[in-house]
Parts: sequence; structure tokens; C-alpha cells
Amino acid sequence: KAGVTQTPRYLIKTRGQQVTLSCSPISGHRSVSWYQQTPGQGLQFLFEYFSETQRNKGNFPGRFSGRQFSNSRSEMNVSTLELGDSALYLCASSPGGAATYEQYFGPGTRLTVT
Amino acid sequence: ELKVEQNPLFLSMQEGKNYTIYCNYSTTSDRLYWYRQDPGKSLESLFVLLSNGAVKQEGRLMASLDTKARLSTLHITAAVHDLSATYFCAVISNFGNEKLTFGTGTRLTIIP
Repeated sequence: KAGVTQTPRYLIKTRGQQVTLSCSPISGHRSVSWYQQTPGQGLQFLFEYFSETQRNKGNFPGRFSGRQFSNSRSEMNVSTLELGDSALYLCASSPGGAATYEQYFGPGTRLTVT
Repeated sequence: ELKVEQNPLFLSMQEGKNYTIYCNYSTTSDRLYWYRQDPGKSLESLFVLLSNGAVKQEGRLMASLDTKARLSTLHITAAVHDLSATYFCAVISNFGNEKLTFGTGTRLTIIP
């Protein structure tokens, strides 16, 4: 079974731009969660989508948004990028809700904002 | 709000030695995970601990969970260089919004 895939793997953007990251979960998994990892703040939960609905959201500004499609693939969007948005963005999938099922992480997208 | 603390944050140890990483969390939870992360890489699942007294072992790593003390430990036996990585524990609270909350991570360096 193929693992979680994320595209692109690396991205360089300029302040003020917006960016869209993509995540394809393991086949059959219905939940996708997104996390931000930075040296200063560590690993922080962004949001979880399950069956195309946002189930849970972390403490991030509204510039961070996401969606999930009927095939469970998910995208997250960051608008008006700031330098502090530079991070490794990880997505994770699970068969059911993330509170009940183990999550499997993708390789991540490294975003650099200049 | 659930808080998860790990200690130590940094650990250098010689090959062949034993050591323990501690993970404390602030609210009731019956679900704790341990992950490994190599530099620039994603998270690799090591253990899932689902009940009080749970103990799991894989190779030189053993994890345990004491839900009453809100404490999990990751014990390393006879460390080898390949175990050098950052280790995270992560907890889902029994209450509230059920998100996975990570500890700060422990950067482990095994010295030959």
C-alpha cells in the first residue's frame, strides 16, 4: 500500500504571496490532519478533515485554511505569507477520526518564505 | 489545555549505555504515541500505548504508559549509533477537542 504523499516537497515563496500544499492519504483513509513544524514552536496541529468536513482546528490565524475532496485528498492554503510561516508542513492520514486511529505521516513540504 | 512535556530536551549518550526519556502530560489520556524523526525527515511511528500499564518493545527501545501518573517513558537499552534521532511523544486528551498534542521532542545523539 502506498504511503501518504505530499506535493510539492520543497517550496520557496515571497512574503505576501499565497501557497497551496497537497496531501494524498493512504488509500481507504478518510481523515487527513495537517501539522506545522518549526524549530521555535515545535509540532503544532493545524486542522483535521474527515469526509470533506473540518472536524478540528488548531490555534492558527484565518490565513491558514484547508479543504478535503471526495477522494479524501486534502489541500491546505496559506494566504498573505509571512516570514514566520517558514516551516515543515506535515500531513497525516488515518482510517477514521484522528482521535481514535493511529495517524501515518507523509514526508512533508518544506516551505521557505523570503 | 493539554500540555505535554518531555525531558531531557537533549541527550548525548555513549554507545552501549542505557537511558530513559520521560513524557509527562497534563490531563487524562488513554492514548499516547511515540515517534522518531531523523533530520529533515517525517515522523516514523514507534509505539502506540492505549491503556494504563501498557508496555511495548521493539529492538532496543521499550515504551511504557502510566495513566495515573500521566507519564510515559521510552527506555533505550545498549544504545547504538543508528538510534540517533529526535524522539517525540504525542497525546490525545480524553476530553476537549481530541487533537494530537506533541511534546517538545528529545534530540538523542549516540556517541561512539
